[in-house]
Amino acid sequence: DGGITQSPKYLFRKEGQNVTLSCEQNLNHDAMYWYRQDPGQGLRLIYYSQIVNDFQKGDIAEGYSVSREKKESFPLTVTSAQKNPTAFYLCASSSTYQETQYFGPGTRLLVL
Amino acid sequence: GQQVMQIPQYQHVQEGEDFTTYCNSSTTLSNIQWYKQRPGGHPVFLIQLVKSGEVKKQKRLTFQFGEAKKNSSLHITATQTTDVGTYFCALDTGGFKTIFGAGTRLFVKA
Repeated sequence: DGGITQSPKYLFRKEGQNVTLSCEQNLNHDAMYWYRQDPGQGLRLIYYSQIVNDFQKGDIAEGYSVSREKKESFPLTVTSAQKNPTAFYLCASSSTYQETQYFGPGTRLLVL
Repeated sequence: GQQVMQIPQYQHVQEGEDFTTYCNSSTTLSNIQWYKQRPGGHPVFLIQLVKSGEVKKQKRLTFQFGEAKKNSSLHITATQTTDVGTYFCALDTGGFKTIFGAGTRLFVKA
């Protein structure tokens, strides 16, 4: 069953805590992306990776970090520096950079 | 920098009425993609337009790319309750990243 998965579906963060959102794909895609979506809003690009061991900042990278050690995986860490992290986080992948993007089901992050 | 405007922001229609959303770019595009996001769900790819003046149809959905490749539209004929959701355009300018519009949220009243 091919696709892109994200976990957890819901995540709660305490003040000052770093949390990591998982994104895995078995589509053999080179490119992966992280977006943030606030209620009723569009998608804002956090980070993207065109190939393994390489990634670039998007429009709202401050307070976030990523790694791309494996082609299949692109985890996102929301650090304590991100003061307003409550949002819906979407991971996507595409066969090559800027081709059609396939989205995971998303993770909803809430701050306690 | 690249600007994208998607209008309207919201649209309420009665089931059976038509619906159109427009996407406008400040620069010429390499291609444009359209996605649909159901309430509580994730964006799903609908179609990609590449050629100037291109028109593509998917059942009741008609997608059009402007002659100057700076604008696009998505038209739904005779809306159904299953059409409810947010429709996003995504722009490829040939630059370093794809830019998503803010989306048009469609509400359909039965």
